[in-house]
This record gives sequence, structure tokens and C-alpha cells, in this order.
Amino acid sequence: DVKVTQSSRYLVKRTGEKVFLECVQDMDHENMFWYRQDPGLGLRLIYFSYDVKMKEKGDIPEGYSVSREKKERFSLILESASTNQTSMYLCASSYRLNTEAFFGQGTRLTVV
Amino acid sequence: GENVEQHPSTLSVQEGDSAVIKCTYSDSASNYFPWYKQELGKRPQLIIDIRSNVGEKKDQRIAVTLNKTAKHFSLHITETQPEDSAVYFCAASVASGGSYIPTFGRGTSLIVHP
Repeated sequence: DVKVTQSSRYLVKRTGEKVFLECVQDMDHENMFWYRQDPGLGLRLIYFSYDVKMKEKGDIPEGYSVSREKKERFSLILESASTNQTSMYLCASSYRLNTEAFFGQGTRLTVV
Repeated sequence: GENVEQHPSTLSVQEGDSAVIKCTYSDSASNYFPWYKQELGKRPQLIIDIRSNVGEKKDQRIAVTLNKTAKHFSLHITETQPEDSAVYFCAASVASGGSYIPTFGRGTSLIVHP
């Protein structure tokens, strides 16, 4: 069974804090993604990575950065958290060519 | 980039009825179209997918159709059951940097009344 695991289910952070969201997959997938899920807006792509140390911006990268030092791990970084970054964050992974994406359980981040 | 429109945003049906969710996409280079189901409090999971060389695919009570000329695809659920209640997302995948990146629709909340 494919496992995509996000480090936290719930997080509460203060405005201005640096926040790290971690994601690990165990299927040797090349692609990893970070999505943000908000009611009525669906899943919006923040960043993706198709290889170690490679990253590409998605549709809403502003205020975020990512790190992929190892193939199995993809980190999302909020450099200075703001209240408008309160959301559900979903990590996903897939093989490089057109295939199913496997999602983590999500991290609900609240910035106060 | 790719743009995926999904309708309706909410769909309410009686148990046993059929449900249809429709999506359109903008990039004619998209060639993989998955559908995901997200139950309340859970992660999205793939329920069916279709590739651009196929017009229709069926798996028990669910089916997906694809019209590449019109750039739209649809999910059909027959004989709906209360456990079908969930949010459904369509996606279209287009190549970027050697990988295929899914762009998702905004989701359809399906409610099946017993």
C-alpha cells in the first residue's frame, strides 16, 4: 500500500512565524506536489518537484518555498506565516508519467 | 496553463438516482483525466481515470466519458447510494518539465439522500 505521510494533522502558528510542513512517501515516486485546499476553490497547486533538488512553481507560489533534498521527502515552507495562509495543505506523489496521484492525510494549518 | 471548470458545485439526488458531473479543460495537450473522491475528513482517492485515446471507461456503477474535440469529460454514477456522498474532483494532466501535472476542478459536493 502506498503511503504518503504528512508530519502534522493540525498546526496552529502565529503571524510572522516560519512554518515547515513535511511530507514523506514510500513508493519511490519521482513527482511530489503541494496543494492548498479551500472551500469552493478546490485543490490549487503551490509547488511541485519532479526530482531531487528540482522544483517548479505552481499556480499560487507566493509566500511559499519548498525543499526536496531526498527523493522521498518534500517540505513546504511558509517563510513568514500570514492569516490568509490558514488552510488545508495536501501533499501528493506520483510516478513521473501520467499516473494516479496519492495524497497525504492533510495538514490543517491555522495562523493566528 | 491548464484551466479546468467543473459543474455543478453541489448535486443533491435521491438514493437510486443517477448523478452526472461535468468538466471542461482548456489545454488540448492534456491526455490523462482522473477523478478523485474525497469523503469528509479524508484524503482524495482515485476512483476512475481515462486517457485521451479512449472515449469511455466503466467500472461497476461509475463511468467516465471523454470528448477530446469538445474538451470535456464527465463522471456518471448510476444507482447512487448514501456512501457515494462525498466531494468529487476532476483533473486534467498536461506535460511540464518532463512530468505530467494534474490541474484540478473546484469540486462537486454530491449528497445522496436515503
